[in-house]
Amino acid sequence: AQSVTQLDSQVPVFEEAPVELRCNYSSSVSVYLFWYVQYPNQGLQLLLKYLSGSTLVESINGFEAEFNKSQTSFHLRKPSVHISDTAEYFCAVSRSGAGSYQLTFGKGTKLSVIP
Amino acid sequence: DTGVSQNPRHKITKRGQNVTFRCDPISEHNRLYWYRQTLGQGPEFLTYFQNEAQLEKSRLLSDRFSAERPKGSFSTLEIQRTEQGDSAMYLCASSLARRQGGVSGANVLTFGAGSRLTVL
Repeated sequence: AQSVTQLDSQVPVFEEAPVELRCNYSSSVSVYLFWYVQYPNQGLQLLLKYLSGSTLVESINGFEAEFNKSQTSFHLRKPSVHISDTAEYFCAVSRSGAGSYQLTFGKGTKLSVIP
Repeated sequence: DTGVSQNPRHKITKRGQNVTFRCDPISEHNRLYWYRQTLGQGPEFLTYFQNEAQLEKSRLLSDRFSAERPKGSFSTLEIQRTEQGDSAMYLCASSLARRQGGVSGANVLTFGAGSRLTVL
């Protein structure tokens, strides 16, 4: 079985400051890793994913995450946040290959960007 | 394509009543998933379908919960004899599962906005 730990439940940060949202996972098999974002009153949206290949993955709106197998981490970073980034962010893991139908989510991190 | 659609968006019911939620997935997606999200928690997997076949249902929370996808298109999630502990957001998602070189590829899920259940 897989598990995900998001170390911070809430992260306040000033606008234009950098941010890191931490995610650690546990699994005995190879995994795929995901970050989803949930804006108020909206559904979960895929932000970025790691399936294979380069360990650094990027989103279209400036977020990036790096898969670190030795530290079993997939931290999300942005060098300069905007007010519109205020949302809840969920890290998720699934088995790779045939067992990839089930996502296991962390409890989420609420990012609040302060003007 | 308008994405994954869920109805109703909100449902308030009295304890003991039955409720049904509907999910319309992205039309070309062959997999459909149900998750539950309670306050302060991440989504929790319940069940999933590939076309009309329910391939995993052991995570449904009790025998009061059932899901169907009769024609491999839309799906319904029914909760019978609701309890206050069933109050939560019920999320539907869909994906296109591909086989690459004989091995199933990664499933990237698209979620709907959810159906919020309040049991009084």
